[in-house]
Amino acid sequence: DIQMTQSPSSLSASVGDKITFTCRASQNIANYLNWYQQKPGKVPKLLIFAASRLQSGVPSRFSGSGSGTDFTLTISSLQPEDFASYYCQQSYSIPWAFGQGTKVEIK
Amino acid sequence: QVQLVQSGAEVKKPGASVMVSCKASGYTFTIYDINWVRQAAGQGLEWMGWMNPNSGDTGFAQKFQGRVTMTRDTSISTAYMELSSLRAEDTAVYYCATNYYDVSGYPYFAQWGQGTLVTVSS
Repeated sequence: DIQMTQSPSSLSASVGDKITFTCRASQNIANYLNWYQQKPGKVPKLLIFAASRLQSGVPSRFSGSGSGTDFTLTISSLQPEDFASYYCQQSYSIPWAFGQGTKVEIK
Repeated sequence: QVQLVQSGAEVKKPGASVMVSCKASGYTFTIYDINWVRQAAGQGLEWMGWMNPNSGDTGFAQKFQGRVTMTRDTSISTAYMELSSLRAEDTAVYYCATNYYDVSGYPYFAQWGQGTLVTVSS
């Protein structure tokens, strides 16, 4: 089974900051990597699929990159509504697997 | 629009079973796989398994093999997840989610149910 590891587990940032966090797969998953945002008490929301394709309606300040085993999610200018948890998920093979998440908190 | 509506919160005793339903609307129920994902309080997302609503085929995470059953009733566009031999560690919010494939064949969880809190307590 493919394991997903995210880092850091949490980070503090300010509105306007550019932030990047990473997701690593335990084996090559090409670009079969999705990113979800989850706010407290809410349902996860798809941000990016296929490592770098922005889901319709998602602001362009979000971007994803990577291929193989190493992936990144970047928020170019953090907005108040972006304080949330972010999860990567491999969609290369079943069993699907999520990373443990990165929580973005207000500095 | 595509919508998944789940059944309400449950409180169960250890050793019991729970069944959570997920009613789909706004699309043809049989064309997208239904996945189940759970999340304990303050924890991350944990994939449990999938079901093809057309064929009824299922697949489960190793952790849940033997304890989870996924079924459907196509006449009412509803999927079910039953978890047996419940223990305190199964206390979590359980989500259903459709597995959508984009035109290039990349899968992702496009639509989620609102979640069902299952509490296991004596």
